[in-house]
Amino acid sequence: KAGVTQTPRYLIKTRGQQVTLSCSPISGHRSVSWYQQTPGQGLQFLFEYFSETQRNKGNFPGRFSGRQFSNSRSEMNVSTLELGDSALYLCASRQGGLEELFFGSGTQLSVL
Amino acid sequence: GENVEQHPSTLSVQEGDSAVIKCTYSDSASNYFPWYKQELGKGPQLIIDIRSNVGEKKDQRIAVTLNKTAKHFSLHITETQPEDSAVYFCAASNIQGAQKLVFGQGTRLTINP
Repeated sequence: KAGVTQTPRYLIKTRGQQVTLSCSPISGHRSVSWYQQTPGQGLQFLFEYFSETQRNKGNFPGRFSGRQFSNSRSEMNVSTLELGDSALYLCASRQGGLEELFFGSGTQLSVL
Repeated sequence: GENVEQHPSTLSVQEGDSAVIKCTYSDSASNYFPWYKQELGKGPQLIIDIRSNVGEKKDQRIAVTLNKTAKHFSLHITETQPEDSAVYFCAASNIQGAQKLVFGQGTRLTINP
């Protein structure tokens, strides 16, 4: 069974631009979560989607948004990029009713 | 909201010795406590988890203990091996409804041969 796939693996953007990251969950997993990982703040929850609906959201500004498609694939978008948005963005999926999160390898975003 | 503190931030042990990592949480409503291992260039991987209705859980060389009264839980790795070198994260959440994991800051574990 394929794991969680995130694309692209690396991204370099400049301040003010926007970016879209993609995540394909494990087949059969309907829940997708996104986390931001930085050396200073650690792993922080962004949002969770289940059956195309956002069920929970972390404490991030409105520039961070996401969506989930009918095939459970998910995208997250960051608009008006700031230097502090440089981070590893991790996507995780889980099977409905079970707690274990399966993480992808992440997208490393650098904002210059 | 929930806050998870993790100690130590770095830990170095001799191969074959035991390693212990400790976490405390603040929200008494939290009832699910997973531990993740993250190797370089990879996403975190679940190694063991425990629910609040259990005090201890063991899986081969790895064990987790939970003290609900004191709001702390610990990861114990025995007979450490070089492949145990990684960053370990504890987390807490309330599994009712949507799951939002609150992570500790991580512990960089180094196993010295």
